[in-house]
Amino acid sequence: GENVEQHPSTLSVQEGDSAVIKCTYSDSASNYFPWYKQELGKRPQLIIDIRSNVGEKKDQRIAVTLNKTAKHFSLHITETQPEDSAVYFCAAMMRKLIFGQGTELSVKP
Amino acid sequence: DSGVTQTPKHLITATGQRVTLRCSPRSGDLSVYWYQQSLDQGLQFLIQYYNGEERAKGNILERFSAQQFPDLHSELNLSSLELGDSALYFCASSVYGRGNEQFFGPGTRLTVL
Repeated sequence: GENVEQHPSTLSVQEGDSAVIKCTYSDSASNYFPWYKQELGKRPQLIIDIRSNVGEKKDQRIAVTLNKTAKHFSLHITETQPEDSAVYFCAAMMRKLIFGQGTELSVKP
Repeated sequence: DSGVTQTPKHLITATGQRVTLRCSPRSGDLSVYWYQQSLDQGLQFLIQYYNGEERAKGNILERFSAQQFPDLHSELNLSSLELGDSALYFCASSVYGRGNEQFFGPGTRLTVL
């Protein structure tokens, strides 16, 4: 079935360290992979996305990599800051947008 | 501010009741999506409308229904409410259908007592 697995479910890092969140998807026909950041009680906000014809995309401290053969993609946040603390969701577009279960990132000052 | 609006912000009701949640997409967006987010679950896709027509369906219960009107706003109707329906309900919109960035509204928090 259509499924996105996301790991880890929680992640705690020290300010300035890097954070990596990984997702795998089930449908090899998926062609669009967005990442959303959600602060407590607020709406999910797109932070970066990647399409299947690209292997890597970077935007300042955030990067996403995609391995189509292995059907997995990852979010990398470098030089983490306390304001990066939030829940991060990966998603994959199959017949519809399927979200992972989320990763709660905590950045300790 | 994403440009997507949702009303009401909060809704408290009793089991067995029926409620209507409203969503106005960003100007120019033709697609509207509804998601349910419970405490112990991620974002569950419910249904998508594109230019007034149902485009995709997810795990939407039969007690729930939705529609998109000619002015492109959408309503999600939840009936025979149960305690387990308590959740955040998000609406999102995009220009076209699949593969386009979805912009989320602020959500409606539904509490069923």
